[in-house]
This record gives sequence, structure tokens and C-alpha cells, in this order.
Amino acid sequence: QVQLVQSGAEVKKPGASVKVSCKASEYTFTNYYTHWVRKVPGQGLEWMGIINPSGSSPTYAQRFQDRVTMTRDTSTSTVYMELSSLRSEDTAVYYCANTRGTAAPFDYWGQGTLVTVSS
Amino acid sequence: DIQMTQSPSSLSASVGDRVTITCRASQSISSYLNWYQQKPGKAPKLLIYVVSSLQSGVPSRFSGSGSGTDFTLTISSLQPEDFATYYCQQSYSAPYTFGQGTKLEIK
Repeated sequence: QVQLVQSGAEVKKPGASVKVSCKASEYTFTNYYTHWVRKVPGQGLEWMGIINPSGSSPTYAQRFQDRVTMTRDTSTSTVYMELSSLRSEDTAVYYCANTRGTAAPFDYWGQGTLVTVSS
Repeated sequence: DIQMTQSPSSLSASVGDRVTITCRASQSISSYLNWYQQKPGKAPKLLIYVVSSLQSGVPSRFSGSGSGTDFTLTISSLQPEDFATYYCQQSYSAPYTFGQGTKLEIK
């Protein structure tokens, strides 16, 4: 059974950066794409980007293009999402989700990581 | 970007009711339409993929239909555990956008 375990909650000040991890277990890590999705309180789900199995050429949503970096560490089966220049509007729960392909549904999700941005 | 529009945004219904949620894409997405259920404090859960395929373990009271730009999710007989927020999502092309969600509440 695929499991994705994310890092714990974070509290950051405006202007800071946050790096959230997503560790996969018990499956072939190298065959899966990882997406990042966030849920801002009171709003819907927002797709942030995707990183492929090799970790090369991530694709980001345009609104995050200048602030987000997604990386992959195959030695630890872990994917990272770093968001910089944080503002209060980035307060959200951030999820990783794995898929078997770029057009595949998001069938495996992490438990979510709450990032709170507050001065 | 492909815009996904769900209706209604919220819905009150009773246990046993038949409920339909609609989702419209701003352009054709072929059959790359998925539905998710999210409960408070939990990660979204995949219910239906490629319009009408039921994810393993999902009850058969959930069904999906549609093609091109117009899609529906139907719950044939609401159960207490079905009260949640539902999202459609297109996996046709990046950015893989979601609808704004439909909150299903108990009447």
C-alpha cells in the first residue's frame, strides 16, 4: 500500500521560506509523479505543480512560478516543495499527491502540512 | 488555463436523497475528469476517475457521467458519511485545475 508521509506543521513570518517534505513508502518511488496541491481556509483546492520521477523539469502553476521549487531525493524516496517570499495569503494546508502519469488521477495523498504565515 | 466550474456551490439534502453535482470545463478535456471527496481535516479522496470509473473501495452509489466539457457526479442514495465537499478536477493538461467545490450539507 502506497503511503505518503509529510513533514509537520510550520509557522513562518512574512517574507520567509518554508520547505515541506513528502516521503513515500512501500512502492517503486521512481515510477511516480508527485504533485503539490494546497487548500487555503475557506477556498478550494489549488494545484501548485508537478515533478516527474527523475526529478528533472518540474512544471509549476504560473502564479507560483517565481516562488516555488520542487525537488526529489531518490536516495530517501522524498520529494520537497519550497515556497519563498511567504505572505499571509499562503496560510494553507499543503498536500503532496502521487500519480502514475501526468494525466492520471491523484490516487495517493499525503496527510497534509499546515503552514501558517503570521507576523 | 482550463477553468472548471461546479454547481451548486452548496447543497442541503437528506439521507436517502439522490444528489447530482455538475462540473463544466472551459474547453474540451476529453475524458480526463476526476472527482474527489474531502472531509474537514482530511486529505481529498479519489472517488471517480476518467469520468465514470469508480475508484477501488468506493461505494456503487457514486457514479459519474459526461464528456467533452460537461460532467456530473451522482450519489444515488445519500448516506450520513457522504456529507462532505466534492471537487471535480481535469487531468487533461497542466495546470491540473479543480472546481471550486460543492459543499454537501445535511438538511
